[in-house]
Amino acid sequence: GAGVSQSPRYKVAKRGQDVALRCDPISGHVSLFWYQQALGQGPEFLTYFQNEAQLDKSGLPSDRFFAERPEGSVSTLKIQRTQQEDSAVYLCASSTILRGVYNEQFFGPGTRLTVL
Amino acid sequence: RKEVEQDPGPFNVPEGATVAFNCTYSNSASQSFFWYRQDCRKEPKLLMSVYSSGNEDGRFTAQLNRASQYISLLIRDSKLSDSATYLCVVMAAAGNKLTFGGGTRVLVKP
Repeated sequence: GAGVSQSPRYKVAKRGQDVALRCDPISGHVSLFWYQQALGQGPEFLTYFQNEAQLDKSGLPSDRFFAERPEGSVSTLKIQRTQQEDSAVYLCASSTILRGVYNEQFFGPGTRLTVL
Repeated sequence: RKEVEQDPGPFNVPEGATVAFNCTYSNSASQSFFWYRQDCRKEPKLLMSVYSSGNEDGRFTAQLNRASQYISLLIRDSKLSDSATYLCVVMAAAGNKLTFGGGTRVLVKP
């Protein structure tokens, strides 16, 4: 079956531009996560949705970052007034939600954002 | 100090050899532990969960030491295809977010 898809795969933005990154989770997956991975580092948590509810946004680095999942499926991560330090790979992951067990998070291929 | 720390490597391993590496975590309330594998320019993929009793999956053995707060991964009979970055991952009791280490790079050479 189809995995998690993300678009665009690559994005080059000029400093100060706004960008929108899209994530299509695996069909039926209730949970959706965004992570940021800087070059040579491990992924870092940004935000978490359960259906359309954003339950945790503690990892968003500033108020320039905004995420939504209005209908509980597709999610968009928006970055306003991009800065060079925003350059990273943005990974989306989705999972089911069964109580009492670890629900494996399946990752998409990521969007590589380069801010010039 | 980062919540999950790993030796970045690279660990240069002759094909067929055994390699082992650890990671340490700082949050004693962490409940679940995993190793993820990430190939160059690809997404992370779950390699295996790590249980207190230790567990094995083919050539891979994972161990958890809660008292010392470290997790280990051992790869036996290394294959060229084992070359990748291995990410140590911790999940807290509450919530579902994963906390990743910086990754340990392993290069298996003929």
